[in-house]
Amino acid sequence: AAGVIQSPRHLIKEKRETATLKCYPIPRHDTVYWYQQGPGQDPQFLISFYEKMQSDKGSIPDRFSAQQFSDYHSELNMSSLELGDSALYFCASSLALKARGYTFGSGTRLTVV
Amino acid sequence: AQSVTQPDIHITVSEGASLELRCNYSYGATPYLFWYVQSPGQGLQLLLKYFSGDTLVQGIKGFEAEFKRSQSSFNLRKPSVHWSDAAEYFCAVGYNYGQNFVFGPGTRLSVLP
Repeated sequence: AAGVIQSPRHLIKEKRETATLKCYPIPRHDTVYWYQQGPGQDPQFLISFYEKMQSDKGSIPDRFSAQQFSDYHSELNMSSLELGDSALYFCASSLALKARGYTFGSGTRLTVV
Repeated sequence: AQSVTQPDIHITVSEGASLELRCNYSYGATPYLFWYVQSPGQGLQLLLKYFSGDTLVQGIKGFEAEFKRSQSSFNLRKPSVHWSDAAEYFCAVGYNYGQNFVFGPGTRLSVLP
């Protein structure tokens, strides 16, 4: 079965650079969630989108932005990167009207040097 | 590879009744164990976690979970369920911080008035 696809798997950036992470949800899933998991930290919810509109917002820094496109894939844009942004970023997708089907991608590991 | 099972897809309980949600994992070592709750359209919220030490862990909203190494289980319990507890519950397993979490498929909890 198709899963949630995230790209790239690994990314190394320097401080103050920008990064774009992509998430391709399971086909027909209309909701995407982004999470950040720093070293030694629990996964923290960043933001979610339903039908291309922001549906919930968590602890997403102002330097980050995200959007969901017409094909339901989502991109997380991160600017002015800081060392503390080094983390695993993973997204999940679901079908909003169904309680099940909340599937996580394998994540993008971002390292800021 | 690690895996997490939640045998119950959907559980319905009456308000005020006790609750136990099952979680079993397959892992080569003692993992980090988590329970998350997700309300429709919302991000995951951490209920509790186990790393080491006391195998009975207290969480938020009156939840607790017990780690049983011999059974590779980490079942979630609550003595008296409230209507607001209706949601999807996910058990998650991690080996090391910085590695991908493996989430179980989730158990949907419905609460009858």
